Amino acid sequence: DAKTTQPPSMDCAEGRAANLPCNHSTISGNEYVYWYRQIHSQGPQYIIHGLKNNETNEMASLIITEDRKSSTLILPHATLRDTAVYYCIVSPGTQGGSEKLVFGKGTKLTVNP
Amino acid sequence: GAVVSQHPSWVICKSGTSVKIECRSLDFQATTMFWYRQFPKQSLMLMATSNEGSKATYEQGVEKDKFLINHASLTLSTLTVTSAHPEDSSFYICSVEDQQETQYFGPGTRLLVL
Repeated sequence: DAKTTQPPSMDCAEGRAANLPCNHSTISGNEYVYWYRQIHSQGPQYIIHGLKNNETNEMASLIITEDRKSSTLILPHATLRDTAVYYCIVSPGTQGGSEKLVFGKGTKLTVNP
Repeated sequence: GAVVSQHPSWVICKSGTSVKIECRSLDFQATTMFWYRQFPKQSLMLMATSNEGSKATYEQGVEKDKFLINHASLTLSTLTVTSAHPEDSSFYICSVEDQQETQYFGPGTRLLVL
């Protein structure tokens, strides 16, 4: 079972910031928070991941709370092409062994014109 | 991130036939690849972990004799659905794991078994 909880759906206006929350209250000290998104009928796309520090790349920012029990993915200026299902996943990541990703139901983000 | 391709992008076959799906890592050598399956309106489910030069590790409930995985090179893994039946119709997606153990996914292969 997925170890994260996300709202099933969210709406956002085009051009505004989209803030997608994720709860992972049982996260272990060695587990990373990964975010992927899946646009309809395509394979998932990697967005960003982090351990405990906030991270930013060209796609998004990831804000992780100090206790690491929740995080927020921020798309600073949402466009219609950002409409997708967003998955928050916790995984041990770089621990010297391959770790599988367990996908939950994710959040269906709809960006409206 | 890693660039991953899959071939074919979609396939229709008759019940009882076998179908081979290819997953290629285009820009780096992938020791580990993963195969997922996604049914309509459901999330991705891991089927197996494929390691180059060794046998794949299958998830519980996935028949290894039905879903044959071959990872003979660092850039290619194949999934063969043997004796396909309509219930095998699904969206099959592979991923590769880079040196930082981040997974990058292919575009997927949609299989329809008639």
